[in-house]
Amino acid sequence: KQEVTQIPAALSVPEGENLVLNCSFTDSAIYNLQWFRQDPGKGLTSLLLIQSSQREQTSGRLNASLDKSSGRSTLYIAASQPGDSATYLCAVSYSGGGADGLTFGKGTHLIIQP
Amino acid sequence: EADIYQTPRYLVIGTGKKITLECSQTMGHDKMYWYQQDPGMELHLIHYSYGVNSTEKGDLSSESTVSRIRTEHFPLTLESARPSHTSQYLCASSDPWGQGANYGYTFGSGTRLTVV
Repeated sequence: KQEVTQIPAALSVPEGENLVLNCSFTDSAIYNLQWFRQDPGKGLTSLLLIQSSQREQTSGRLNASLDKSSGRSTLYIAASQPGDSATYLCAVSYSGGGADGLTFGKGTHLIIQP
Repeated sequence: EADIYQTPRYLVIGTGKKITLECSQTMGHDKMYWYQQDPGMELHLIHYSYGVNSTEKGDLSSESTVSRIRTEHFPLTLESARPSHTSQYLCASSDPWGQGANYGYTFGSGTRLTVV
């Protein structure tokens, strides 16, 4: 059974710092990996999706990398801002058909101090 | 703009009541999902659908049921709500082979259900 682990569980840093969130998964036979952001009491906002054949994806201040063979992904946030405060979730998919949906980690709760 | 909609956003209901959580999407996706999320915990898949007239149970056992009569609509029903059903329910759709903004998984805003 696939397991997704996110480290750290919580992180608090001053505004302006660059930071890295880590995600690991036990079965490397993934189809894709997706990073989401969840604000308190809200749904999920997709940040980046990386196909299994890709190494990284970038969107603005966000960069996600994928090392499928080692079962790891990182989300890099540059020049953090208070508005980045949220829970960041990593999720993996095993089939292009999405038959089994996504397997999620428990998330990293991020606080950016003004 | 293509999106996925859930209603209601919040629901407080008494034990034993029948409830239906609505989910509709204008993404044009065939595949739809329901996830359950308890506070501070990870999301767990409870139902999914490949398309019209297709429904499957997910990893987490749930007393809820779903239906898929139309591509864009995937409601979740609890016949008799109990306090143990108190949770947040998130609906999603996906098009893993799509392009542009409709690619990957898209989630609704969720329904926070409280059964008293």
